[in-house]
Amino acid sequence: DTGVSQNPRHKITKRGQNVTFRCDPISEHNRLYWYRQTLGQGPEFLTYFQNEAQLEKSRLLSDRFSAERPKGSFSTLEIQRTEQGDSAMYLCASSSGTRPTETQYFGPGTRLLVL
Amino acid sequence: AQSVTQLDSQVPVFEEAPVELRCNYSSSVSVYLFWYVQYPNQGLQLLLKYLSGSTLVESINGFEAEFNKSQTSFHLRKPSVHISDTAEYFCAVSDLPSNTGKLIFGQGTTLQVKP
Repeated sequence: DTGVSQNPRHKITKRGQNVTFRCDPISEHNRLYWYRQTLGQGPEFLTYFQNEAQLEKSRLLSDRFSAERPKGSFSTLEIQRTEQGDSAMYLCASSSGTRPTETQYFGPGTRLLVL
Repeated sequence: AQSVTQLDSQVPVFEEAPVELRCNYSSSVSVYLFWYVQYPNQGLQLLLKYLSGSTLVESINGFEAEFNKSQTSFHLRKPSVHISDTAEYFCAVSDLPSNTGKLIFGQGTTLQVKP
């Protein structure tokens, strides 16, 4: 069990560019979550996968954002035409089991800076 | 809608002193409550959680929290803090109506333990 990993850890990009982040959950965890954390705030939910199905998306997730989880393993979060307001820490978490109260294990996050 | 409010953004305290980090929640349904800790340059880690049963829950490193339904609170306490407890602490509630397990976080409290 190596924990949840995220890549890259840091990303600096220019406004208007596309970026993609990757999350590798703990092996065999069927639930996967993406959150966004801005400076001085707690994480905010973005989207949720159960296996390969994306079952919920926050209204924070505009049409410039897309997430996938092919084959129910790793997940990617893509932001198109980045804006300065997208600058934040993007967190991935995974959990196992059938109950929504199972512990979520978080990755270290990807810090995005849009110039 | 459910929400979480952490009443203090920063709590400075001397080593070996007691500490309380306050958390209030708002919910019209039953709640599951969590405290997560984020050490510098690390991902969020679960500290403790309340699902049901005893209203007093404890962590392995000496923290405890008490679920108080009448006051809608879930304050975190430790009788004697260490330098190593310096971190960001987040209170969260599980969004039960969605049944996805997504967490709604408070703004966070920075615990600064001074020697």
